[in-house]
Amino acid sequence: AQSVTQLDSQVPVFEEAPVELRCNYSSSVSVYLFWYVQYPNQGLQLLLKYLSGSTLVKGINGFEAEFNKSQTSFHLRKPSVHISDTAEYFCAVRNTNAGKSTFGDGTTLTVKP
Amino acid sequence: DAGVTQSPTHLIKTRGQQVTLRCSPKSGHDTVSWYQQALGQGPQFIFQYYEEEERQRGNFPDRFSGHQFPNYSSELNVNALLLGDSALYLCASSLFRDRGRFGHGYTFGSGTRLTVV
Repeated sequence: AQSVTQLDSQVPVFEEAPVELRCNYSSSVSVYLFWYVQYPNQGLQLLLKYLSGSTLVKGINGFEAEFNKSQTSFHLRKPSVHISDTAEYFCAVRNTNAGKSTFGDGTTLTVKP
Repeated sequence: DAGVTQSPTHLIKTRGQQVTLRCSPKSGHDTVSWYQQALGQGPQFIFQYYEEEERQRGNFPDRFSGHQFPNYSSELNVNALLLGDSALYLCASSLFRDRGRFGHGYTFGSGTRLTVV
C-alpha cells in the first residue's frame, strides 16, 4: 500500500518570496512521484515528475522538486512566486509497475501582494 | 490538440437515481482512469480501463461501474446515488506503456461536478 502526506494544508506567502510545499510518501516498492496543480473549477495539471535519474526535477512555471529517497520526500519549491501561482497543489505517488496514483490531500498556496 | 474532454460539466441528481459520466481521452492515449475528488480532498482512484477491460480498481462499491469503448473513450456509471457521492469526478488519460515503461503521465479533464440532493 502507498500513502502520501502533504505536511501543510495551507501556505500563505507574499509575492516574489520563495516557497516550499512539503510532501512525504510511504511505499514498499519503487515509485514514480508527481506534483500537480489545480486551479479553481479545473482539473489537475502536471507540474513535474520524477521517474529516475537526477533527483532534482524541473517543471513548468519555474517549479522544481527534489527526490530524497532516504527521507521518502519530494518537496516542491519555487524561488519567487507570483500571484498567479495561487492554487491547490497535489503530490502523488505511483507504483512503477503501473496501476493507480495515490494523491495527498493537497496544499493551498495563497500568494499575497 | 484535443486534451481530455468530459461531459457533462455539471449535473444534479436525486438520491437513488443513476448517472453516467463520459470521457474522451487525449489523442494518442489508450488508458482511462477515473477519480473522485470530494470537496477539500485529493482525488481518490476509482478504476482504470485499458483495452476495454477494468485493469485495477480502488476501494469503491459495485455501484460504481465503467466501460471503455474501442475508440478509447470511457463511461463511469453510478447506481443508487447517495448524498456522499457528491463530488468532482475526474477522468485522466495516459499511455499504458510509454517507451518501455508503464505509463506515467496523466492528462486530466476538467471534471464533472455531481451534486446529489
